[in-house]
Amino acid sequence: EAQVTQNPRYLITVTGKKLTVTCSQNMNHEYMSWYRQDPGLGLRQIYYSMNVEVTDKGDVPEGYKVSRKEKRNFPLILESPSPNQTSLYFCASNLGAGRLNEQYFGPGTRLTVT
Amino acid sequence: AQTVTQSQPEMSVQEAETVTLSCTYDTSESNYYLFWYKQPPSRQMILVIRQEAYKQQNATENRFSVNFQKAAKSFSLKISDSQLGDTAMYFCAFGYRDDKIIFGKGTRLHILP
Repeated sequence: EAQVTQNPRYLITVTGKKLTVTCSQNMNHEYMSWYRQDPGLGLRQIYYSMNVEVTDKGDVPEGYKVSRKEKRNFPLILESPSPNQTSLYFCASNLGAGRLNEQYFGPGTRLTVT
Repeated sequence: AQTVTQSQPEMSVQEAETVTLSCTYDTSESNYYLFWYKQPPSRQMILVIRQEAYKQQNATENRFSVNFQKAAKSFSLKISDSQLGDTAMYFCAFGYRDDKIIFGKGTRLHILP
């Protein structure tokens, strides 16, 4: 089954404690992205990756890092989380090459930073 | 900069009625896609319908259809014969290149029994 998986699905942590949210896709997609969803703001892109070792900032990159060492994986790293990063996070992927209409989303990760 | 505006934060309609969700966008791109996503309480993002900007014909998926007015930069979603399972947050989105999707702030739709 074609899918994007994220782990963990729920996470409660404390300010300053480094964490990683994993994202993996099994569709050999070139493009992957991270979004955060906040009430009243919709989804906003944090980072995206066009291929292995190629990443770029989205609209709200501050406080986040990403890496793309393998095509299938695109982890989101919060080195020193703060309460304003409490949010719902989505990973997504698409084939690229003009195939943006086939965007696949993961199930979401609910992060709470206290 | 690309923007997407959903002017209706929340709507309620009776089951079996038809409802239209509004969306406008602004862009200087010539090649793009438009989407409507549904987010039920499970939080999963579900693609409802998509429209390629170069296609004049409005997209339709069963009870869901769009009214795409390219010159007016408008992309509304019509849900016919609404069902209780249509209760969700709906996001309008604009996509360009291979990696950029801009989302509106969402419309929360309640289908009342």
